[in-house]
Order: sequence, then C-alpha cells, then structure tokens
Amino acid sequence: ETGVTQTPRHLVMGMTNKKSLKCEQHLGHNAMYWYKQSAKKPLELMFVYNFKEQTENNSVPSRFSPECPNSSHLFLHLHTLQPEDSALYLCASSQEGAGGRGNIQYFGAGTRLSVL
Amino acid sequence: AQSVAQPEDQVNVAEGNPLTVKCTYSVSGNPYLFWYVQYPNRGLQFLLKYITGDNLVKGSYGFEAEFNKSQTSFHLKKPSALVSDSALYFCAVSGNTGFQKLVFGTGTRLLVSP
Repeated sequence: ETGVTQTPRHLVMGMTNKKSLKCEQHLGHNAMYWYKQSAKKPLELMFVYNFKEQTENNSVPSRFSPECPNSSHLFLHLHTLQPEDSALYLCASSQEGAGGRGNIQYFGAGTRLSVL
Repeated sequence: AQSVAQPEDQVNVAEGNPLTVKCTYSVSGNPYLFWYVQYPNRGLQFLLKYITGDNLVKGSYGFEAEFNKSQTSFHLKKPSALVSDSALYFCAVSGNTGFQKLVFGTGTRLLVSP
C-alpha cells in the first residue's frame, strides 16, 4: 500500500447523476493532486492543492469540482458528466518544501469511472 | 513548456535479457526526471529519479536509468528482465515552474515473456 486510499474503486454513473470521488492520504503530506488517465494518452493533471489551497486548475470543465477540506482529504465532485469523461481518476500526494521540485508523488489505486 | 516523449507503445523482451525503455524530454533549464511503474489495477509507483549528480541513477527492483543531457534522454534499463517486470512504465519531467508539476509521457507497456 502506498498510503493513499481512493474510494470507490469502480463507479458507473449516468450523465445526469451527481457523485463524488474520495481520496485520503496517511503520509502527512501537504500537497494533493487529481489526475485523469485515459488509454494511450499522457496522464492529465487536473487539480493541485498545496496546503489546502488550490494552486492549479488545468482548464478542467466545471462539471468537475474539487474540494480539499484538510491536508489529508481530497474530493472530486462530479455532475452532468459526458461519456468521454470515462477514465481512471488517480489521486496523488507529496510533501512539498520551499524548493517545490523533485519530490516524489505517491499515488492511490484510482477510481475507474464509466459514464453511460 | 516541458514535455516528455516515450516513442515505443510496447517493448517485448525475453526473461533474462536486458531491457531498455526509452524516454526523451524537453524542458528549459535543468530537468528533474522520474520513472514510475503501473501494475494492473494499481496506481503509479515511484521507481527512481534524477535531480543532479551521477548520470546513472539506481532505483527499485534492480532498475536504473541513464541521464544524457546532450541527447535529452533518460532511458530506463535493467540488466536481466523478469516476467514480473511486465507493467506500464511512465517517464515524467518537472521543469522550472517553481512548484512540483510533473508532466508525464504516454507510457510504454513492457511485456517480458518466459
């Protein structure tokens, strides 16, 4: 185990549903990330939270809404998704220092999302 | 902007043979380079990284990678492949953004046959 837990592992939802993905890290890290992994595409960084503040939002559609209530928990709220949003959603965490580079990210096992 | 290229979708190698998974990068300034591995139904696991110093970096499970600045490459290698090394391998680079932001390649599937 990497110390990063994601639930649920699998999720099937219709385009009109609202659901949430949860991520919890037990590593005492101060930064958390959401990635989207689609077949034959590079991992897409969606959101970054550093000390609970969102520092990165890579032009992600508003149907994806992140929430970081504390440094250990990260949520991704989903609503009115499209079939092309079907993918593996990965959460990661890292410990960021003043330099902000070269730190290892630890990944959860992901949530496999299917949008019907 | 930084980028990473993994030119091979899949690499096939027989068990016991050496393996190489290729990666080239583009970044302004000095790169921080990483290799991660993903086994089926799992998240990515860190293998090794290059920040500075010796161009040959040793990592987990007997893997190593060679940083070549002139060729802007960071190929992953292992002297003797195991069937259990079969997985998806990702190269990643962090540039001079002032904050950890990894850019990943598309991944290379390694298939080691018995």
